[in-house]
Amino acid sequence: GAGVSQTPSNKVTEKGKYVELRCDPISGHTALYWYRQSLGQGPEFLIYFQGTGAADDSGLPNDRFFAVRPEGSVSTLKIQRTERGDSAVYLCASSLTSAGYYGYTFGSGTRLTVV
Amino acid sequence: KNEVEQSPQNLTAQEGEFITINCSYSVGISALHWLQQHPGGGIVSLFMLSSGKKKHGRLIATINIQEKHSSLHITASHPRDSAVYICAVSFGNEKLTFGTGTRLTIIP
Repeated sequence: GAGVSQTPSNKVTEKGKYVELRCDPISGHTALYWYRQSLGQGPEFLIYFQGTGAADDSGLPNDRFFAVRPEGSVSTLKIQRTERGDSAVYLCASSLTSAGYYGYTFGSGTRLTVV
Repeated sequence: KNEVEQSPQNLTAQEGEFITINCSYSVGISALHWLQQHPGGGIVSLFMLSSGKKKHGRLIATINIQEKHSSLHITASHPRDSAVYICAVSFGNEKLTFGTGTRLTIIP
C-alpha cells in the first residue's frame, strides 16, 4: 500500500481481555517495528521483525505480549489478559532492509484503552 | 544503552519567530531522525541525518557527530508548525531510541 496502515485506530477493551492490533506495512518493506507511546512520553521500542522472524523482541514488557509476522508482510501484536497499564498508543513502522539508509514510515497508531 | 535528551520540553513562540530545538545523545549512532507528531496524528519523518546539514523548505536540521548533538530549526514559524517534534537515533537497521519530544506552539 501507499503507507503503513494500522487497524483498528481505536480499541477499548475490558481489563483481562485479549486484543489484537494489526499493522500492514508498505509493500516491499522487509523491516517492521512495533513501538508503544504512553501519554506525554516518547515512543518505546517493543519488537522488530526482519522478514518473518523477530530480530529483536527485547522491548516486549512481559509474556502477555506477543507479535507475529507469518508471511513477512502484515504483523499482529497480541496482548493477553490486558491491564490498565497497557493503555497507550501502539505505533507500527516499516523500512526497507537497511533503515540506516532509507528511514522509517510510521502508521497512525492504534489507541488502546483498557478499562 | 543510548540516552536521548531533548530541550526544551515545551516551547511557545510568536508567528514568524526562528525556532531551535536541541537533541543530545550519549553513544555513537548511525543516523539521527527528526520526526513530527500532530495531536491525535501519526508520526511523520522530517529528516534522517548522519552528518552535516539538511534543509527542506523552512526546516533545517544539523548534526555534530563529535559533540553528539543535533538541532532542528524552523524559520518564519507558522501556527501550522505547532506539533510535537521528536528526536530519535538508530544504529544500522535496529530499533529507534526516542527522546521525549518538544511540544511546539506557535501563536498567531
